[in-house]
Amino acid sequence: GAGVSQSPRYKVAKRGQDVALRCDPISGHVSLFWYQQALGQGPEFLTYFQNEAQLDKSGLPSDRFFAERPEGSVSTLKIQRTQQEDSAVYLCASSWGQADTEAFFGQGTRLTVV
Amino acid sequence: QKEVEQNSGPLSVPEGAIASLNCTYSDRVSQSFFWYRQYSGKSPELIMSIYSNGDKEDGRFTAQLNKASQYVSLLIRDSQPSDSATYLCAVNGYSGGGADGLTFGKGTHLIIQP
Repeated sequence: GAGVSQSPRYKVAKRGQDVALRCDPISGHVSLFWYQQALGQGPEFLTYFQNEAQLDKSGLPSDRFFAERPEGSVSTLKIQRTQQEDSAVYLCASSWGQADTEAFFGQGTRLTVV
Repeated sequence: QKEVEQNSGPLSVPEGAIASLNCTYSDRVSQSFFWYRQYSGKSPELIMSIYSNGDKEDGRFTAQLNKASQYVSLLIRDSQPSDSATYLCAVNGYSGGGADGLTFGKGTHLIIQP
């Protein structure tokens, strides 16, 4: 596709439920990033892939968060046993080169944990 | 701890005037700098990237970088009401494995008054 595509756009989860968020990057983009954005704040880095390799996962807030990109294209961010503090917009971005090249964002997934 | 600081605003500018947005960053090894525009309820949209000291112009937008002062700015000439949005400054850091994901400021809320 022409841009980064994320699904679902909105997700409501009951506390304790597992969720999976999908990101389809721009075709041919090597790097893929996940960010978390709380209301009124800038995006916070979660994790970074270069092709299928997860080069940095230092931003993942707990071991309940897990990301994968098995074939170097589509990525999934999984959150286990969701908590209310996980409620946020989850943004995916991709770039053609390494992490310091221009990154383009998808529409985001708004997760609400009730 | 990498930090990116922006004045949260709101910054109110009359239509047709120049809007000046400022950003400082803490990590001296940062090499890549980006400005994103974010409309309410939407995802960040890349406006400008800058890698070298000095000015970079693109249409009505000019990015300015001063690495010695650890300072980045964005000028918007002939401001239009459609420029009203939150502007996010983003900076790449570098660690042993290469470039890191972006560190964002909290954003400056810009209002262009008709």
